[in-house]
Amino acid sequence: AQSVAQPEDQVNVAEGNPLTVKCTYSVSGNPYLFWYVQYPNRGLQFLLKYITGDNLVKGSYGFEAEFTKSQTAFHLKKPSALVSDSALYFCAVRDLAENTPLVFGKGTRLSVIA
Amino acid sequence: GAGVSQTPSNKVTEKGKYVELRCDPISGHTALYWYRQSLGQGPEFLIYFQGTGAADDSGLPNDRFFAVRPEGSVSTLKIQRTERGDSAVYLCASSLQGATGANVLTFGAGSRLTVL
Repeated sequence: AQSVAQPEDQVNVAEGNPLTVKCTYSVSGNPYLFWYVQYPNRGLQFLLKYITGDNLVKGSYGFEAEFTKSQTAFHLKKPSALVSDSALYFCAVRDLAENTPLVFGKGTRLSVIA
Repeated sequence: GAGVSQTPSNKVTEKGKYVELRCDPISGHTALYWYRQSLGQGPEFLIYFQGTGAADDSGLPNDRFFAVRPEGSVSTLKIQRTERGDSAVYLCASSLQGATGANVLTFGAGSRLTVL
């Protein structure tokens, strides 16, 4: 069965510094990988996805994510954090070998401090 | 509509009562999903519709939970004999096509259910 792990409940970073939010996954086949962001009292918003091809994926709001198959990782990154990036971030995976819907991690709360 | 609309945004009920939560997906989206998000957790899959039929209901926790999508658009999640453990935010999402592939899900703001 597919699963996602987000090892950090909370990430704190100073404004202007680079940020990384970690995600590892487990699937039996090849993965489709996604990052979503959730602001207070708002629905989850899509940031980016990896399907195939280039391991570095660029998404909305200056975010990017790197797919590392050898480590089964899909970490979310941004070169320079903004206070407005403070939110809850979810990694999600779909296993191409199984006809199953998207499975989400438990989320990581990012706090960017001015 | 422009986005996924969920009503009510908040519902407070008493243990044992019946609850209905409504989802109006993006016009033209054939796939509709229900997820449940408990405090401090990620969204947990409940059920997925492709058109009018439930293509995958493996996430429904028990037979108190039921969902319908009679005309392939609006969906209703129904919870019978509610329990305190049902308290959560119920999220609805839709996508242009089905659950397979790399289709992006668009989520609504959710319906927060509190069972007293």
